[in-house]
Amino acid sequence: GAVVSQHPSRVICKSGTSVKIECRSLDFQATTMFWYRQFPKQSLMLMATSNEGSKATYEQGVEKDKFLINHASLTLSTLTVTSAHPEDSSFYICSARPASGGLDTQYFGPGTRLTVL
Amino acid sequence: GNSVTQMEGPVTLSEEAFLTINCTYTATGYPSLFWYVQYPGEGLQLLLKATKADDKGSNKGFEATYRKETTSFHLEKGSVQVSDSAVYFCALSDRANSKLTFGKGITLSVRP
Repeated sequence: GAVVSQHPSRVICKSGTSVKIECRSLDFQATTMFWYRQFPKQSLMLMATSNEGSKATYEQGVEKDKFLINHASLTLSTLTVTSAHPEDSSFYICSARPASGGLDTQYFGPGTRLTVL
Repeated sequence: GNSVTQMEGPVTLSEEAFLTINCTYTATGYPSLFWYVQYPGEGLQLLLKATKADDKGSNKGFEATYRKETTSFHLEKGSVQVSDSAVYFCALSDRANSKLTFGKGITLSVRP
C-alpha cells in the first residue's frame, strides 16, 4: 500500500515549451502533496506545498508563475513548468501525505527527470 | 534555518561489513528525525525515524539514535547485505510546519 506514482518518468522538451508532471496517490487519499526539486549530488529542495482544493504555498525563491501547481482532487496533483528553459532541467519529486496519517508521514513518487534543450 | 549535513560519499563496503553513515542537523526547537532510502528506480521510502531525544529508530537491521547533545542521528547496521545498496537520505521535520529538510544523500554500494 501507500504507492505514489509520477508521470512521465522522463521528459525531454524544447526551450520555451511547457511541461506537465502528474503525481498520483494510487491507494490512499492525500490532503497534502509536496513538490521537490533535486539537483545532481544535492539534497531535495522543497518547492511548494499543495492542499487539495486550495492554492499552493511556494517556498521562498520559487517562482509561482513558472511552476504552476494544481491539486484538484485527493489523489492527483500536477506541476506545470511553463516556458521551460535549460536551467529548469532537474529531477522533480512529489510526495503525498495521507489524509489519515500523521503530520510526519509522506510517501514519495519515483521522480521525473526533465531535460530542457 | 534548518539544515542537515551528511557525510560525503559514495561508500563502498563488502557484504557483512559494519556500516555507519553520519548525519548532523541544525534546527530551531525539537525536530523529528528520519532516514529515507531510495533503491534504484524507486521513490524514497521511510527507513526509520525518531521523534524525541534518546529515541532509537530501527528497521531492517538499521538503527539510529536521536542525540540532542550532539545534534546527530547517525545510521548504523551491523552487517550489510548487497540488497542494502541504495541512496540514503537523512532528514528532519520541523514540528511547526511538518516540512522536511533533507541532507544531500549518500550512495552505498555493497559488493558480494
